[in-house]
Amino acid sequence: DAKTTQPTSMDCAEGRAANLPCNHSTISGNEYVYWYRQIHSQGPQYIIHGLKNNETNEMASLIITEDRKSSTLILPHATLRDTAVYYCIVRVMEYGNKLVFGAGTILRVKS
Amino acid sequence: SAVISQKPSRDICQRGTSLTIQCQVDSQVTMMFWYRQQPGQSLTLIATANQGSEATYESGFVIDKFPISRPNLTFSTLTVSNMSPEDSSIYLCSVVGQLADTQYFGPGTRLTVL
Repeated sequence: DAKTTQPTSMDCAEGRAANLPCNHSTISGNEYVYWYRQIHSQGPQYIIHGLKNNETNEMASLIITEDRKSSTLILPHATLRDTAVYYCIVRVMEYGNKLVFGAGTILRVKS
Repeated sequence: SAVISQKPSRDICQRGTSLTIQCQVDSQVTMMFWYRQQPGQSLTLIATANQGSEATYESGFVIDKFPISRPNLTFSTLTVSNMSPEDSSIYLCSVVGQLADTQYFGPGTRLTVL
């Protein structure tokens, strides 16, 4: 699986959009981009995933560049409860393939 | 999404003892995994729990230390054997559903070894 690079930490004001970048310059054509987050001491929570089109769900939006070498997770209106470690992972969607976690980005939402 | 429960949620154990962690899913799943998260670190995959056969371990993890069972499609156990303080971690069960598109995680078991 391709490696991802994320900033170590970011701050965001409550109520503003949080934009979390991820670089995956060696991504293969069949690898999806997944985002998870882990709130302190809890199990990781699935947020969203995509292949090449932008995706949106009730939690967030995922913007993938045309060359697929980078992506951005957008939390449109960050709240204090969005403070967490956010993991960007690339993975081939096939039977038996598991997630490999990097260090992630610590997002601190401040009032 | 699958609902995953783990028992116990936390435990404090003495060195040299063993602890078995249970993972129960509310629906049949194709894949089950066990991860470890050491203090201040990211998640590391221990093994894939295979139904009806021996687990597949990642580099650095061995069956004698982390025996795993998976008797059916909704249940698995991980045992941490002959524990030392270095085994103090959060242990997480994870599953992939029938569609194989998303992996979900349990709440974790926080283990402290004294």
